[in-house]
Amino acid sequence: AQTVTQSQPEMSVQEAETVTLSCTYDTSESNYYLFWYKQPPSRQMILVIRQEAYKQQNATENRFSVNFQKAAKSFSLKISDSQLGDTAMYFCAFMKPVAAGKLIFGQGTTLQVKP
Amino acid sequence: DADVTQTPRNRITKTGKRIMLECSQTKGHDRMYWYRQDPGLGLRLIYYSFDVKDINKGEISDGYSVSRQAQAKFSLSLESAIPNQTALYFCATSDTTGGLETQYFGPGTRLLVL
Repeated sequence: AQTVTQSQPEMSVQEAETVTLSCTYDTSESNYYLFWYKQPPSRQMILVIRQEAYKQQNATENRFSVNFQKAAKSFSLKISDSQLGDTAMYFCAFMKPVAAGKLIFGQGTTLQVKP
Repeated sequence: DADVTQTPRNRITKTGKRIMLECSQTKGHDRMYWYRQDPGLGLRLIYYSFDVKDINKGEISDGYSVSRQAQAKFSLSLESAIPNQTALYFCATSDTTGGLETQYFGPGTRLLVL
């Protein structure tokens, strides 16, 4: 069975600095999808970024980028120029295309951006 | 207007009561999902539906049932609520066009079972 592990329960960063959140996963599949979701205090789950495993190029969305290391089964999220609005819980998630629809989530990392 | 809506946003009920949580979407997606989130844990899948006639159990379906009334509506029922069903419940929809299925979540329903 697939598992997703986020080893950092809590992190903090100063406003305007860069922070990296870690995520590792375990799977025997060769193709799959990976996601980062953000959950601010409003509790809404918001898609941040997504990556297809067969694409070697790391995904980027504005200040958010990933470092996808397929051999190491690692999918870290880098937030550049951190803003107060980035304060949230961040979840890494995995999906197999064949079993489409079944998102498997990590435990989450709470990020605090300090002024 | 929000693409995925959930009602109610907050609910307090008593042990043994039957309650229904409702989800509606205007995204036109065929696939819909129900998840629950417990403190310190990520979301876990309860039920999912790929179209009106296709409903499937997820990881933690015991004690829950669902109804897909239309493409746009997917309801979750707790037939006899118990305290350990106290959680945050999310509905999600997904689109598979373009090959990368991505799920979009509603705002969540916070449920407290006394």
